[in-house]
Amino acid sequence: NAGVTQTPKFRILKIGQSMTLQCTQDMNHNYMYWYRQDPGMGLKLIYYSVGAGITDKGEVPNGYNVSRSTTEDFPLRLELAAPSQTSVYFCASRPGTYSNQPQHFGDGTRLSIL
Amino acid sequence: AQTVTQSQPEMSVQEAETVTLSCTYDTSESDYYLFWYKQPPSRQMILVIRQEAYKQQNATENRFSVNFQKAAKSFSLKISDSQLGDAAMYFCAYRRETSGSRLTFGEGTQLTVNP
Repeated sequence: NAGVTQTPKFRILKIGQSMTLQCTQDMNHNYMYWYRQDPGMGLKLIYYSVGAGITDKGEVPNGYNVSRSTTEDFPLRLELAAPSQTSVYFCASRPGTYSNQPQHFGDGTRLSIL
Repeated sequence: AQTVTQSQPEMSVQEAETVTLSCTYDTSESDYYLFWYKQPPSRQMILVIRQEAYKQQNATENRFSVNFQKAAKSFSLKISDSQLGDAAMYFCAYRRETSGSRLTFGEGTQLTVNP
């Protein structure tokens, strides 16, 4: 079982560059999430999606964009990368409301902006 | 807005002994879930234990158990017979059943297990 797959695992960007962090899940989950984790801190929600074509902002959405064209994929786009976006990014998924299933997490993407 | 507070940035325990990690949360909702996640140096987020707010009975998973005090909005994790492999960052998290069932995390407690 692949679960939640994130690519790449590591990336270094220069200030002002753009990139897309990929996330895909093979569990047919409706809900998907993007979190960031700064050093020594807890995870904070960037964006989430409750189904294909539906996305909404979390706590820290500035500087990011998302799309959800399929159930499986939920890419996170960074436009004009800034040093403050240096972080570890986690994608997660779960079946949906009225399910007692917890979120399944990917292994994270470590991103450095220099 | 919901908040989750872990007041112990660091804790240590001797191998084979018991340790309790604290967590408090703030919410006005009645239907929610609480979780403890373990994050080892590999960065993986590993679910340790979960508690449904409507259940009065405290959840237990092998050496891990919780003390859920709903009125006090407290959710502590007890690790019995601590093992070296328990060393990790532990996060308490709250999940509401509206707005996408998203998780709100505490800041974490770094647990060290001494041999």
